Amino acid sequence: SQQGEEDPQALSIQEGENATMNCSYKTSINNLQWYRQNSGRGLVHLILIRSNEREKHSGRLRVTLDTSKKSSSLLITASRAADTASYFCATALNSGGYQKVTFGIGTKLQVIP
Amino acid sequence: KAGVTQTPRYLIKTRGQQVTLSCSPISGHRSVSWYQQTPGQGLQFLFEYFSETQRNKGNFPGRFSGRQFSNSRSEMNVSTLELGDSALYLCASSSGGPETQYFGPGTRLLVL
Repeated sequence: SQQGEEDPQALSIQEGENATMNCSYKTSINNLQWYRQNSGRGLVHLILIRSNEREKHSGRLRVTLDTSKKSSSLLITASRAADTASYFCATALNSGGYQKVTFGIGTKLQVIP
Repeated sequence: KAGVTQTPRYLIKTRGQQVTLSCSPISGHRSVSWYQQTPGQGLQFLFEYFSETQRNKGNFPGRFSGRQFSNSRSEMNVSTLELGDSALYLCASSSGGPETQYFGPGTRLLVL
């Protein structure tokens, strides 16, 4: 079963607007990662936030993590048409000496020029 | 460094056949994970190999198997293909710790 669940499943915005995607999960985690996938291609890692961190920035990306609510959000500011893609959160939990990673079903973002 | 490569990129098979997919990780990475991606199920974890040993496995039937070679290259095999096996198969490599996974472009398998 999927650990992470992204919300919304689809999002359409105008270029220049901000896009916010949320991810909820069920169990304790060691870290949470966000990935982007352009149509039918491999996933690209965007950002990793550890369980003891609350917020992280990378360029136009801002990720927050609330372990008490078991949720994370990804904010893309000043969106561009090139940001059109699917975005996935992935939770990681160290188990038996290795990392078990579980992906959500993704949010499909469309940025309209 | 070269990225993760997967071959072939596209494959068409018929029901009952078997297929072998290949993944070459980033140089120095010892962990290779395989995922199945379908529109309805998202990314489903198949298995992970580290230093030629399977150390984690998802909930897939025994028709799905894999192996890793001493150079860290990995292969995934699906026997007795079913229509529902049509999917994008992604492999990802990492150095083995709680770091980022680097994904290949995937192999798109169509089963007719």
